[in-house]
Amino acid sequence: DAGVIQSPRHEVTEMGQEVTLRCKPISGHNSLFWYRQTMMRGLELLIYFNNNVPIDDSGMPEDRFSAKMPNASFSTLKIQPSEPRDSAVYFCASSLSRGGRNTGELFFGEGSRLTVL
Amino acid sequence: QQQVKQSPQSLIVQKGGIPIINCAYENTAFDYFPWYQQFPGKGPALLIAIRPDVSEKKEGRFTISFNKSAKQFSLHIMDSQPGDSATYFCAARLSGGGADGLTFGKGTHLIIQP
Repeated sequence: DAGVIQSPRHEVTEMGQEVTLRCKPISGHNSLFWYRQTMMRGLELLIYFNNNVPIDDSGMPEDRFSAKMPNASFSTLKIQPSEPRDSAVYFCASSLSRGGRNTGELFFGEGSRLTVL
Repeated sequence: QQQVKQSPQSLIVQKGGIPIINCAYENTAFDYFPWYQQFPGKGPALLIAIRPDVSEKKEGRFTISFNKSAKQFSLHIMDSQPGDSATYFCAARLSGGGADGLTFGKGTHLIIQP
């Protein structure tokens, strides 16, 4: 049974370049979350979707970050232009929501480690 | 206030010891408190969770103790093993409507020495 699939696992890029991270949630899950993990700030919620609709993007650091979920099986997180301070591990997670409430169990992918030089 | 404060940041325990990780919160609207375990190179995975109407929950060697009046909860690992070495995150979920994400503590890097 496939879990949450993220790509790429590792990305090294230069400042100013566009970065696109991809996520395939678990089939049947209707909530999708993007988190960023750094040593200094821990796990930060960037944005989450419910039934493909963005619900809360207040965690997105600035306009350079954008996320889309065109269908139930795919989401992207884009950074344009990238900066060295964006270096982090980006996690996608999915969960099942019932009656508008998520069950509280998030299933995480293995993350995309981004390094911006 | 949606923060969850976790301590210690790192912890080293001898095999067989009982590491204890503590978390505190301010927002009484949190209604679900899970703990996640993360191994290097992997995403966090749910370990155990508790609701505020229960003071303790035990699953195998892992126990959550919950003190609602103090707004604190903790994870205890009995008979700890080197394979328990990982980063542990406490988290909390807001009650009310909406498919809200979890608010995580900053994590505790636990090392169990053989």
